[in-house]
Amino acid sequence: DVKVTQSSRYLVKRTGEKVFLECVQDMDHENMFWYRQDPGLGLRLIYFSYDVKMKEKGDIPEGYSVSREKKERFSLILESASTNQTSMYLCASSRIRARGQPQHFGDGTRLSIL
Amino acid sequence: KQEVTQIPAALSVPEGENLVLNCSFTDSAIYNLQWFRQDPGKGLTSLLLIQSSQREQTSGRLNASLDKSSGRSTLYIAASQPGDSATYLCAVDQTGANNLFFGTGTRLTVIP
Repeated sequence: DVKVTQSSRYLVKRTGEKVFLECVQDMDHENMFWYRQDPGLGLRLIYFSYDVKMKEKGDIPEGYSVSREKKERFSLILESASTNQTSMYLCASSRIRARGQPQHFGDGTRLSIL
Repeated sequence: KQEVTQIPAALSVPEGENLVLNCSFTDSAIYNLQWFRQDPGKGLTSLLLIQSSQREQTSGRLNASLDKSSGRSTLYIAASQPGDSATYLCAVDQTGANNLFFGTGTRLTVIP
């Protein structure tokens, strides 16, 4: 079974801090994604990566950056955390452009910015 | 831009009842549609994936259908159980896009 592991289930940080969210997948998937999930808004894509060191912006990239130095690891970085970034963050992975392959999700990180 | 809608937002049914969850999407140029389950405070678990060329997929008590031309999908749950209580999300994999487009989900409660 595919396993997508997010490093923290719950995280509390302060405004202005630099925050790192880590995601690791064990199935050699090319694609990796970061979403945030908010009540009434559903899941929205922040960034995705289709290969090592490659990244593309999603719908809401402002205030975030990402890093993919190794194929199995995709990091989301909040450069200077703000209270409006309090949310549930979900990482996902999938095979490259292989339509018909499902996206696999981690358990999520619930981030609170105080 | 693709818009995915799920109605109702919440549904309560007694145990044993069969039920249908609805998903509609505005752009029919899709590769596939995926149904997920999300338990409170948890990530998403993939339930079923229907290719655009398929009409339905089945897994156990779950059956998902797809009518691409009308922009609709349904998830049928037979003989519901309290353990089915969760939020169910549908997501569309659209041609020319890199990410899935999600609905906001239907929160299902199965009452014992």
